[in-house]
Formats: sequence, structure tokens, C-alpha cells
Amino acid sequence: QKEVEQDPGPLSVPEGAIVSLNCTYSNSAFQYFMWYRQYSRKGPELLMYTYSSGNKEDGRFTAQVDKSSKYISLFIRDSQPSDSATYLCAMTRNQGGKLIFGQGTELSVKP
Amino acid sequence: NAGVTQTPKFQVLKTGQSMTLQCAQDMNHNSMYWYRQDPGMGLRLIYYSASEGTTDKGEVPNGYNVSRLNKREFSLRLESAAPSQTSVYFCASSEQNRDEQYFGPGTRLTVT
Repeated sequence: QKEVEQDPGPLSVPEGAIVSLNCTYSNSAFQYFMWYRQYSRKGPELLMYTYSSGNKEDGRFTAQVDKSSKYISLFIRDSQPSDSATYLCAMTRNQGGKLIFGQGTELSVKP
Repeated sequence: NAGVTQTPKFQVLKTGQSMTLQCAQDMNHNSMYWYRQDPGMGLRLIYYSASEGTTDKGEVPNGYNVSRLNKREFSLRLESAAPSQTSVYFCASSEQNRDEQYFGPGTRLTVT
């Protein structure tokens, strides 16, 4: 069993939809949680970063961490075609430690 | 400010050939990483270098070697390429003890 599981999709939604992307993990020691966005044929870039449980909002994006359930989510409100990308969750036990990535979810937002 | 650069962008090798993937960063970062990305597998860490002069194995180091040439450059070498090493390779860098990693554009390698 992988330490971090992520539904690979692909996920296709109409423009303006609310998108929910999720990851589950098995290691309760993970404390730092990230979402990276990767456009086609590009390297990933950090989108959201959270520590421990709770929510963090940045514009149309909300990251949610539930450590009791070992479950993290990324919500995208009012999705746009420019949000079409692969979204990878990542997590680590210690700040600056090795990141463990999920498989990535491919999202397509149709105009 | 170019960030993280990787060469080459594409490469086709025959089984048994060797090659070196080059990576350089201009952000004065201490830590550098090599990942491979395969369909359905996400990003897997091959090797990393926490600081100049140190290197450590990641999750999938077999068949690879690395050199941290200086603070800017971190190379990945395939001594005898195998079809299982067909993948997209990403180099990344970060400030020490920080989780935000900056990725290069990737090298697409095919081994036939």
C-alpha cells in the first residue's frame, strides 16, 4: 500500500464548477501538507501549504487537512479553464524533510 | 533569474548506454533533488543533496548515481540504461529546511 493515495482521475468539470481533490495517507507522523500544480509538460509548482489540521484559503483555493481521518482536500471555487492541470498532494514529517507525493489528479475545466 | 534549468529536454538511449542529466539552479539554494515521474506513480525521489558536498539515496536510487558538483549544480548519471528507466526526470531545489521546492522543466528520457 502506498503511503499517500490520490485518485488519478481524469476529472472533467464545466467552467464555474466547484472542484474537490483529495488524498488519503497512512503515516500519522505527517505534519506538513502541500498541493502542487503541474501544467502539461512543465515542472510542478507549489500552490498551497498547510501545517497540521485545519483550513487555509487563498483566493479561489482552499486546502483542508483532517489529521484524525488522515485525509486532505483541495477545493477550487469558480473553476476556470486555466485551472486545467495535474494536482499533486505532498506531505512530510519534518519541515525540510523528504516529500512524499500522491500520484496526481488530472483536472480539465471545460469552457 | 532562470530558476532551475535542466539539460537535455529530450533524450533517446539504447539499452546499456550511459548518460548524464544536468541540473543547475541560480537561487542560492542549499538543497537539491532528483525525481522521476511515471504514469500512475507520482513523483518518486531518486537522490537528494541537503547541502553542497552531501548526497543521500531516496526511494528509487538503484541504477543511478549523482554528483553535487558545487552549490549550483547537481547531476544524475545513468551508467547502463534500462527500459525501466524510461521516464520524465525532474530536478528541484529548495532552501534548507524549507518544504517549497522549485522544479525544473524536466527531461523526457526513452530507453529502447
